[in-house]
Amino acid sequence: GAGVSQSPSNKVTEKGKDVELRCDPISGHTALYWYRQRLGQGLEFLIYFQGNSAPDKSGLPSDRFSAERTGESVSTLTIQRTQQEDSAVYLCASSSLAGGTDTQYFGPGTRLTVL
Amino acid sequence: DAKTTQPTSMDCAEGRAANLPCNHSTISGNEYVYWYRQIHSQGPQYIIHGLKNNETNEMASLIITEDRKSSTLILPHATLRDTAVYYCIVGSSNTGKLIFGQGTTLQVKP
Repeated sequence: GAGVSQSPSNKVTEKGKDVELRCDPISGHTALYWYRQRLGQGLEFLIYFQGNSAPDKSGLPSDRFSAERTGESVSTLTIQRTQQEDSAVYLCASSSLAGGTDTQYFGPGTRLTVL
Repeated sequence: DAKTTQPTSMDCAEGRAANLPCNHSTISGNEYVYWYRQIHSQGPQYIIHGLKNNETNEMASLIITEDRKSSTLILPHATLRDTAVYYCIVGSSNTGKLIFGQGTTLQVKP
């Protein structure tokens, strides 16, 4: 079956503009995660959805960042008034949480460049 | 979540086994050991996971010590395409997130 998909693959925006990043998880996966990876750095956790609720938003860096999820389907990460330090690859992952484990399957990411 | 310690980098000759160590001395009883890798410019790729028993799949083997304080990922016949950053992570489904450290950069050389 299809894996996790993300769109757009690349986004270039001007400082101060809002952007929306989309994630389509693997069908049937109840859990969805957003991570950020700055150039040359490791992954930073942003937010976790179980269904359409977000029990852990602890990684969102500021109130300019928000995310929502429709049921157990697509999720959108919105960054308002983008800043240059928001430039990074934004990665989405999904998991079925089957068997008590949390094997996450990642999408290819959206590369965001803020000029 | 328990922290993990991995060497920063390793080299391996093509065709030989690559053995990547990981220390996780503070792992708790319900935490699994997960291994992911990230090839340049791609999203992380799941490799294998285990709780206490050794595991093997088509990609790799995972050897977990009896006290669960360390593990080794084994790529039995490394190829140039296995060059990547390998992440050892411990976690449980209760936490809902994976904490990625800096990983081990594995360079497979011809």
